[in-house]
Amino acid sequence: KQEVTQIPAALSVPEGENLVLNCSFTDSAIYNLQWFRQDPGKGLTSLLLIQSSQREQTSGRLNASLDKSSGRSTLYIAASQPGDSATYLCAGDTGANSKLTFGKGITLSVRP
Amino acid sequence: GAVVSQHPSWVICKSGTSVKIECRSLDFQATTMFWYRQFPKQSLMLMATSNEGSKATYEQGVEKDKFLINHASLTLSTLTVTSAHPEDSSFYICSARGEASNHGYTFGSGTRLTVV
Repeated sequence: KQEVTQIPAALSVPEGENLVLNCSFTDSAIYNLQWFRQDPGKGLTSLLLIQSSQREQTSGRLNASLDKSSGRSTLYIAASQPGDSATYLCAGDTGANSKLTFGKGITLSVRP
Repeated sequence: GAVVSQHPSWVICKSGTSVKIECRSLDFQATTMFWYRQFPKQSLMLMATSNEGSKATYEQGVEKDKFLINHASLTLSTLTVTSAHPEDSSFYICSARGEASNHGYTFGSGTRLTVV
């Protein structure tokens, strides 16, 4: 059974700092790894998808990497801004149309 | 990109009544949709997998007679909370996977259900 862990549960940083959010998973047979952002009371917004054959993806100030052998994924946020404050969740699946397994998320607060 | 529309965004109902939540894939066909439940400050809990034209697959511990799922078309899945009680109050979110292999999962905006 796939288990996804995100530590720490909360993080507070000053504006402008570069930061890394970690995600670990127990089953290396992960197919796709996806990072989401959730604002309070809202649904999930997909940030980056790393497909099974890929090792990293980039979008603007965000970069996500996937290392299946070590069971880890990281989300790198460059030059953090107060608008980046949200909960970040990573999730993985084991095949096409298989269910996603979520971590509990990291609540990020970027202080002005 | 793939867009999933979920309605209503919030609903308040009386205990004992039923509430229907709709989840639509707007620009793609979704043979499979997923329904999640989220309690405050917790992660998403998968309730069931909705399959177009067939019965939904429920996760262990989820009452299929209480949470009725219908996936009658390739673009619409509905979740009906029957005989709702205050403990059913929660945030419900649906998701679907885009048709292209590089789309990943797209989520609806969620429905805040409050049972009074």
